[in-house]
Amino acid sequence: SAVISQKPSRDICQRGTSLTIQCQVDSQVTMMFWYRQQPGQSLTLIATANQGSEATYESGFVIDKFPISRPNLTFSTLTVSNMSPEDSSIYLCSVAKRLAGHTDTQYFGPGTRLTVL
Amino acid sequence: RKEVEQDPGPFNVPEGATVAFNCTYSNSASQSFFWYRQDCRKEPKLLMSVYSSGNEDGRFTAQLNRASQYISLLIRDSKLSDSATYLCVVSPAVENNDMRFGAGTRLTVKP
Repeated sequence: SAVISQKPSRDICQRGTSLTIQCQVDSQVTMMFWYRQQPGQSLTLIATANQGSEATYESGFVIDKFPISRPNLTFSTLTVSNMSPEDSSIYLCSVAKRLAGHTDTQYFGPGTRLTVL
Repeated sequence: RKEVEQDPGPFNVPEGATVAFNCTYSNSASQSFFWYRQDCRKEPKLLMSVYSSGNEDGRFTAQLNRASQYISLLIRDSKLSDSATYLCVVSPAVENNDMRFGAGTRLTVKP
């Protein structure tokens, strides 16, 4: 498995401001991901954070709104820019790890609970 | 049609009961299958992978039916601590950079 930490664990922000969420993993990983989970909903992938190149964004998510950094193989940040109340959600980072049998799965950080007023 | 569909529940069962969840997926090319567990206000955690031959881990049994494109999870002798939301997860690849999550099935085990 992997030990993943996120900062902050929660925050309450004013609309129009930006928040940067940090994700730290205890070992080097190739693939890191950022998800959003709104209340009562499942996880939605925002982007894949690529080390040494730009993040790969899913449909409906853009770099200007969710800039991502991946300076090394153990760390990534997600910024939620120009926030609105609709951005209130839990933001989770995850990493892909190889299981036995040559299958990868993902392990998640504890999440950042964001409330935008 | 959603890529991964689950009965949202809630399932309310007494301790000791056996409960089963099903999940269907739309992508017939899917290669990897998992069940995750998510406790309230916590992150999802891997419960078990699902293999074509079916697999068992203690009280938990997972089955995969590729022909019908569904996955099941059976929990025997339910414990209070089994109360959680169970997420069905499907990926088109063995190398896992494209996991698709179901909305989850909520289970409450009561004394």
